[in-house]
Parts: sequence; structure tokens; C-alpha cells
Amino acid sequence: GAGVSQSPRYKVAKRGQDVALRCDPISGHVSLFWYQQALGQGPEFLTYFQNEAQLDKSGLPSDRFFAERPEGSVSTLKIQRTQQEDSAVYLCASSFLSGGFSNEQFFGPGTRLTVL
Amino acid sequence: QKEVEQNSGPLSVPEGAIASLNCTYSDRGSQSFFWYRQYSGKSPELIMSIYSYGDKEDGRFTAQLNKASQYVSLLIRDSQPSDSATYLCAAYRDGQNFVFGPGTRLSVLP
Repeated sequence: GAGVSQSPRYKVAKRGQDVALRCDPISGHVSLFWYQQALGQGPEFLTYFQNEAQLDKSGLPSDRFFAERPEGSVSTLKIQRTQQEDSAVYLCASSFLSGGFSNEQFFGPGTRLTVL
Repeated sequence: QKEVEQNSGPLSVPEGAIASLNCTYSDRGSQSFFWYRQYSGKSPELIMSIYSYGDKEDGRFTAQLNKASQYVSLLIRDSQPSDSATYLCAAYRDGQNFVFGPGTRLSVLP
């Protein structure tokens, strides 16, 4: 596809349910990022992959959050035992380069998660 | 303390005027800076990136970087109502994460 795609676009979960959010990056992009964006705030970094390697997961808020990118393309962000404070938009971004200061990111449309 | 600061606004300017958006960052090692536009309910869209001290122009947009003052700005000339959105500033340092500011809401009044 031409851009980053994410699915589902909207997800409503009951507190305690597990959810899985999918990201399809731009073909050939090495780097993949997950962000959490609360209403009225900027995106907050969650985790970063370079190909299939998860190089940084320092932004994951708790051990209920888990991300993977097993074949270096599609990535899944999983949230176990969801809590109301997990309600946010989850954004995925990809970039062509693996590092370096000219690392421009392109964002997907996001998944809006609402935990009841 | 937030590493990237922006005035949350809203910043209101009349149509045709110059809109000036500002951003400060705390990490002196930050190497590159990005401006994103985000319409309500949509994802961020890259407008410009800047790495070197000085100005960078692209159409109606000019980004300015002053590393000594740890300050980045975005000027929008001939502002249009369609420019009304939240503008996000982000800083990047090699080996670190991208850090986004909270965004400035811009409203261009017809």
C-alpha cells in the first residue's frame, strides 16, 4: 500500500479484556514506532523496532503492554487486561532509515481504543 | 519536565496573516527537528524537517532552528482556514526516541 495502515480503526473493550492492534508499515521501511496519544496531548513514545528487533521498549507503561514484529514488516501491539487509563489513540509510524538524524516518520491513521 | 515544550494555544490569526509557532527543547544533543500537522481526529502529517542551524523554506512554510537557544519555529505565510489544525514539534537524537511536544492549536479566521 501507499501508506501506513492500522487495524482496527476503532476498538471498544471491556475492562480486563485483551486487545491486539495491528500495524502495516510502508513497504521497505526499516523502522517502526508505536505511540500512545491521549486527547489534547502529543504522541508519547512506546516502543521502536528496527526490522524484527525491538531496540527500545522503554515507553511501554506496564508489563501488560507487549509488541512484536516477527518478520520485520507487520507489527502487533498487544495490551493484556485492559484498564480504563489505556483508553487513547495508538499510532504507528514507520521510516525508511534505521537511524541517523534525517529519520522522517510517516504515521498511520491510528487505532482509537476505548476501555469501558 | 517535558523535553519539548510548545504553547498549547489556541493561536488565532486572520486569513492571509503570518502564523508563528514556537517550540523549545531541553536535550542539547537533539540533532533533528520535525513539524507535524494534525487535524482533529486524524493522524500527524509531516510538514517539514530541519537539521541545520538557520532557515528552511518550503512553499508557504519556513522552519527556523537556533541550537544555541534550543528553539525551533514554524512560520506559515498567507495563512488559510485550511491551515487550522494542531501543530506538533518533535525532536530526535540518534540512538534516542523521538520526543513530541503537546502541540499548538492554530485557528485561522476567515
